[in-house]
Amino acid sequence: SQQGEEDPQALSIQEGENATMNCSYKTSINNLQWYRQNSGRGLVHLILIRSNEREKHSGRLRVTLDTSKKSSSLLITASRAADTASYFCATCFRDDKIIFGKGTRLHILP
Amino acid sequence: KAGVTQTPRYLIKTRGQQVTLSCSPISGHRSVSWYQQTPGQGLQFLFEYFSETQRNKGNFPGRFSGRQFSNSRSEMNVSTLELGDSALYLCASSLGRNTGFGPDTQYFGPGTRLTVL
Repeated sequence: SQQGEEDPQALSIQEGENATMNCSYKTSINNLQWYRQNSGRGLVHLILIRSNEREKHSGRLRVTLDTSKKSSSLLITASRAADTASYFCATCFRDDKIIFGKGTRLHILP
Repeated sequence: KAGVTQTPRYLIKTRGQQVTLSCSPISGHRSVSWYQQTPGQGLQFLFEYFSETQRNKGNFPGRFSGRQFSNSRSEMNVSTLELGDSALYLCASSLGRNTGFGPDTQYFGPGTRLTVL
């Protein structure tokens, strides 16, 4: 399967701590995208990282991409209650297909 | 700019019926993709339409079909509904450009929650 796989499946941390989620995939990609989904709602795009990029930042979010290891990580710094959500990586291929992983459920504890 | 809108938001049908879901993309977006989300299978790609043509298709049976109109609005139809079709159906729009670095960012609608009884 070309599907990206997130790790861990679920993560609970205290508010203020950093949260790290990983995504691994099996075949060469053109870009990789991270999305957030709040309970049962639509997905919100967070960051797109191209295959020739190694790191991108957006506010408290930091995404890295290691194409040699076929993996990406999403770091959320100084977590807040509002960060509680499911996070998905989407691996994107030359034929423009996008494959989503099953997500990491992040729970921020007060 | 208005976001992606989907109608209806909730739908209850019985087995054997058919259903049509609608998606209005962000103004200027020419690509519309449809996804099925279930707890067991996660987010699965159904199909993508670009300029009224199906450009990509996932691995779903022929009961699932779609179309796109000249104003980029899209509809998805599921015929002969089965219990397993109960899911959140998400639509996403994008500019659909071929940048050489894969698909553009997709913007998702809130979804249509379909329950099949």
